Amino acid sequence: GQNIDQPTEMTATEGAIVQINCTYQTSGFNGLFWYQQHAGEAPTFLSYNVLDGLEEKGRFSSFLSRSKGYSYLLLKELQMKDSASYLCAVGSNSGNTPLVFGKGTRLSVIA
Amino acid sequence: EPEVTQTPSHQVTQMGQEVILRCVPISNHLYFYWYRQILGQKVEFLVSFYNNEISEKSEIFDDQFSVERPDGSNFTLKIRSTKLEDSAMYFCASSHPSGGAWETQYFGPGTRLLVL
Repeated sequence: GQNIDQPTEMTATEGAIVQINCTYQTSGFNGLFWYQQHAGEAPTFLSYNVLDGLEEKGRFSSFLSRSKGYSYLLLKELQMKDSASYLCAVGSNSGNTPLVFGKGTRLSVIA
Repeated sequence: EPEVTQTPSHQVTQMGQEVILRCVPISNHLYFYWYRQILGQKVEFLVSFYNNEISEKSEIFDDQFSVERPDGSNFTLKIRSTKLEDSAMYFCASSHPSGGAWETQYFGPGTRLLVL
């Protein structure tokens, strides 16, 4: 089966750091993705991990532990525009296989 | 920067009617996908398409759904006889063919379908 869990909602303060966790149990694994989705808009690609460790891209970093079925997205220097849903998704098979999404974490950034 | 486009942005239809949702994938991408997101729920895979045929489909993609690439640029999703529960945001996505490594899927802005 496919199961991806992430917190439903989080709130953080502008300028702070927030970590959004994701755990997964899937029948196969070929990479973990993080997407950002503003309300009523399309998911936008943020990051991709296939090997264990940390991938850094500007204010955003993503970490993967395959043995633990665990990933997190780290957002630094939070800005109001970072208020959005953050979707954890797993590719379970080959490189073009469909993504299996979690329900998303709605992040609210407050002043 | 190239992007996936979708039309219409919104569609309202009566139950039982047919709808066609249109997508123009990124021009050098060869894999195409349809996903849907019911309001407040997670994004769910419907179907993927490569080399003019369906490569994978989910349990949601039953006989009322079909996909087509009618020409060199468009990719369509047809829902033959819409039901109330088909109301959702439908996203088209596209990607390069993978050489073994993963290829990022890029999503279009979506079509919001409302079935009355």
